[in-house]
Amino acid sequence: DGGITQSPKYLFRKEGQNVTLSCEQNLNHDAMYWYRQDPGQGLRLIYYSQIVNDFQKGDIAEGYSVSREKKESFPLTVTSAQKNPTAFYLCASRTQRSSYNEQFFGPGTRLTVL
Amino acid sequence: GESVGLHLPTLSVQEGDNSIINCAYSNSASDYFIWYKQESGKGPQFIIDIRSNMDKRQGQRVTVLLNKTVKHLSLQIAATQPGDSAVYFCAERAGGTSYGKLTFGQGTILTVHP
Repeated sequence: DGGITQSPKYLFRKEGQNVTLSCEQNLNHDAMYWYRQDPGQGLRLIYYSQIVNDFQKGDIAEGYSVSREKKESFPLTVTSAQKNPTAFYLCASRTQRSSYNEQFFGPGTRLTVL
Repeated sequence: GESVGLHLPTLSVQEGDNSIINCAYSNSASDYFIWYKQESGKGPQFIIDIRSNMDKRQGQRVTVLLNKTVKHLSLQIAATQPGDSAVYFCAERAGGTSYGKLTFGQGTILTVHP
């Protein structure tokens, strides 16, 4: 089955720790995205990558970092600099064969800071 | 329609009724629009999309209407079923953004009563 996987489903972090959220896709998509979702709000873009070894900041990149060493993988690190990291994190990917293509989303990781 | 704040708009319908979910978008330069459905604890699922050069597009049991004059988007669901209960998001893409950046509304909660 083709799709996007995110792990873990639930993640607990102590204050001051960095944590890394995994995102893998086997859809052969070039573009990948990370979003944050807070209760009662829409999705906000953290980082995106259009191609391997390249990525750009989204609207709320402070306190986060990413890498894109492989086409299939786009891990997100939530650093201790992120002041309010408790949220639902969603990874998405998209083909760039056409400019009119939807983003496909993974199942999400719920991060809770203890 | 969508609104600012932590209280999402809600729509409650009986099974078999038709549902209409509204969305006001912000950017008159947006050229592509997508409706997503998100069930509790899951990632958003694509429902239907529409380009700005169209007024209407139909899918299976769903229709999207676009009124560019008043910057309004609606999703109509025919013969609504309990499995349609979810949060529905509209997303817009500003024209000219090659990386496919989407701006999401806050969502509308649809509850379908058997």
